[in-house]
Parts: sequence; C-alpha cells; structure tokens
Amino acid sequence: AQKITQTQPGMFVQEKEAVTLDCTYDTSDPSYGLFWYKQPSSGEMIFLIYQGSYDQQNATEGRYSLNFQKARKSANLVISASQLGDSAMYFCAMREVTAGGTSYGKLTFGQGTILTVHP
Amino acid sequence: EAGVAQSPRYKIIEKRQSVAFWCNPISGHATLYWYQQILGQGPKLLIQFQNNGVVDDSQLPKDRFSAERLKGVDSTLKIQPAKLEDSAVYLCASSLIRVEKLFFGSGTQLSVL
Repeated sequence: AQKITQTQPGMFVQEKEAVTLDCTYDTSDPSYGLFWYKQPSSGEMIFLIYQGSYDQQNATEGRYSLNFQKARKSANLVISASQLGDSAMYFCAMREVTAGGTSYGKLTFGQGTILTVHP
Repeated sequence: EAGVAQSPRYKIIEKRQSVAFWCNPISGHATLYWYQQILGQGPKLLIQFQNNGVVDDSQLPKDRFSAERLKGVDSTLKIQPAKLEDSAVYLCASSLIRVEKLFFGSGTQLSVL
C-alpha cells in the first residue's frame, strides 16, 4: 500500500530565503510518480512539480525544485527566493503506474505542510 | 483551456438531509476523480472513473455516498443521508489517461449542522 509522510505540520521562512518541505514515501511498485501541489486559502489545488521514479535528473519548475533521493524514498520540495504569495498549504502526493505502464492509479496525498512566509 | 468546473461552491445542510455536487472535467479528460478533504488533512480519494466505468471506489462509504458519470463527461456525487462527519471540501479532478498530472476544480465546501 502507498503511504506519504509529511512530518512538518508548519514551516516559517523569511521572504527571499529558500525553504525545504520534507516528504517521504513508501511503495513496493517500481514505477510511480511524485507530485507537489499548493493549496492557498482559496482552496484550489495548484500543481507545482512532478518527478517520475525513473527520471535521472531532479525536476525543476522555476523557483521550485524536487530533491529526489530514491534510495531514501524522499522527495523534498525546495522553494528558492520565497515570496509572500508562497504562504499556503503544500501537499506531497504519489501515483502508481499500473501494470504494463499504460495508465496511472489514484493520487495519494500526505497530510500537508503549512508554509508561512514572513516579510 | 477551461478548467475543471464544480458547483455549488458552498453548501450548508442539516444532518440526515441529502446533497449533490456536480463536476464538469476538462474537455477530453477520460479520467475523473472525487476527493474528500477534511479540514487539516490531505485529500482522500472517494471514487475514480475512467470514461463511464468505476476504476476505484474502495474508500467510498457506499451506504450513503453514490456517484455517477453519465456519457463519460459530467459527474455527480451524492450524499444521502448526510452525517456531521461529512463536513469537508469535496474536490473534483480530471486527467488524461496516459498523463500523470491531475487538474483540480475549486471544490465544494460542505457544512453539515
């Protein structure tokens, strides 16, 4: 069974500094995808970044990068140059790739980390 | 492109009443998901459709929750009768079959009094 663990209920960071949000996962499947979503107070889930289990390079999307350590089963999100608008809930999530690699299973979420950016 | 549409945005009902939520996925997305997000927790999958068929409904409380996706497009999630613990945000999401990313709607916030 899948399991996603986010051990930091809340994090604080000063504007313009970098912050790392932790995520560990547990799966027995060799093929899976790891995601980070941002959920502002308005409630919508905003896709940030994706890492495939077979990707050799760590994923990057603008100020977001994913520190993927497969052997440790960790997929930490790094936000560089934090902005006030980054204050939100952040979720780590994982999807298995079904047998044959033809489709994706459900997205399983962690408990989330609330990030607060101070001016 | 238009995003995932959900309605209503907010709903307040009393326990034992019925309620229904509607979702219109992104055009062409074959896979549709309903998630329940209780305050302070991550979303939990209730049901996953691929076209008209149910792929996963293992965490759907089938004694009170039902969902349908007619013609493989719109979907409706119903709760009958509602309990206090059903108070949550109900998120709809959609994706292409062979693409990993889910697109989420804004959700429906349900309060059961």
